[in-house]
Amino acid sequence: KNEVEQSPQNLTAQEGEFITINCSYSVGISALHWLQQHPGGGIVSLFMLSSGKKKHGRLIATINIQEKHSSLHITASHPRDSAVYICAVAFSGGSNYKLTFGKGTLLTVNP
Amino acid sequence: DTAVSQTPKYLVTQMGNDKSIKCEQNLGHDTMYWYKQDSKKFLKIMFSYNNKELIINETVPNRFSPKSPDKAHLNLHINSLELGDSAVYFCASRASGPGTQYFGPGTRLTVL
Repeated sequence: KNEVEQSPQNLTAQEGEFITINCSYSVGISALHWLQQHPGGGIVSLFMLSSGKKKHGRLIATINIQEKHSSLHITASHPRDSAVYICAVAFSGGSNYKLTFGKGTLLTVNP
Repeated sequence: DTAVSQTPKYLVTQMGNDKSIKCEQNLGHDTMYWYKQDSKKFLKIMFSYNNKELIINETVPNRFSPKSPDKAHLNLHINSLELGDSAVYFCASRASGPGTQYFGPGTRLTVL
């Protein structure tokens, strides 16, 4: 069964802390996405990865294909980073590009 | 310029009614999606169209009927609305091949 597991479900941090959110998946993939959903509801794509590491500002995403695992890191966290972070995976082998989503991680960064 | 837009943003209706949600993208993308986000914020794919052709239909009740009049538009019509249809519905688009998906702002549907 094609599954995506995220941890932790909830994460509370103090401003300035280093944050790590984890995502594991069950079988081979063609790509993994990290999405951000703010309390207002809009969803923004942060990264798309198929190997290695990507960095954008204070955000870093890594993926280990052999271990079927990805992490999203936030350095020097800020209250504006408070949001739900969602991992989504396109499993390989399918004829169409379809995302399967994790249940999300609710991050709260306190000042 | 809004890349992916949806209307309406909010929709409150009675059980048994029929309603439509509209989506438009100005990114020139070939592929569009409808997703449903439940009360626990879990996202699930419903449909996908590529160049007006339905390519993904994820065991959604046939009360839900997507329509794509052209590759920039994807609408979702829902017949005989039920309480369980209450959710946020997101439209998204993607260029060909694996790539970033761009999401619309969502339509919050409440069925009373």
